[in-house]
Amino acid sequence: SQQGEEDPQALSIQEGENATMNCSYKTSINNLQWYRQNSGRGLVHLILIRSNEREKHSGRLRVTLDTSKKSSSLLITASRAADTASYFCATDFNDYKLSFGAGTTVTVRA
Amino acid sequence: DAGVTQSPTHLIKTRGQQVTLRCSPISGHKSVSWYQQVLGQGPQFIFQYYEKEERGRGNFPDRFSARQFPNYSSELNVNALLLGDSALYLCASSPEEGRSPLHFGNGTRLTVT
Repeated sequence: SQQGEEDPQALSIQEGENATMNCSYKTSINNLQWYRQNSGRGLVHLILIRSNEREKHSGRLRVTLDTSKKSSSLLITASRAADTASYFCATDFNDYKLSFGAGTTVTVRA
Repeated sequence: DAGVTQSPTHLIKTRGQQVTLRCSPISGHKSVSWYQQVLGQGPQFIFQYYEKEERGRGNFPDRFSARQFPNYSSELNVNALLLGDSALYLCASSPEEGRSPLHFGNGTRLTVT
């Protein structure tokens, strides 16, 4: 399988804390993307990092990519209740499909 | 602009029946992809269409088929439904094929009894 695998499967944090989740994958990629999904609804694209990039920021999100270790991490800083969701990494290793992991479920407690 | 729209939102079918799911991409988007998401798992790729041609197919049986129309909308058909076909079916569009981020609809929840 070419899927990424997220770690941990679930994460519970207090509002205002940071949340970190990791993604590992198996083959060389063109880019890696992170998506958020609220309560079984559609996925929302958060950030894309290309294979020649090492770090990328978007608002309270920070993504790193280590192609030598075939891994990526997503950091959400100063979490809010609205960040409660499932987060998926998706690897793009060919031209027509993304391979998703099983996701990390994040719960932010007020 | 409207996002990706899918219909119906929920559907209950009996084993052996056939189902058609519909998707309208974001205006101007020519690529449509279909994903199946079983409860507790990540989305699994089923098909990608670009400019009305099938560009890719995932590891799904021939009971699954799709097409894209001249207005870039798409239909996913599943024949001879099995209990294991119960899932959230997600449609996603992008302006072009390849490495664009995907814009997802809210999905069709299919329950097979």
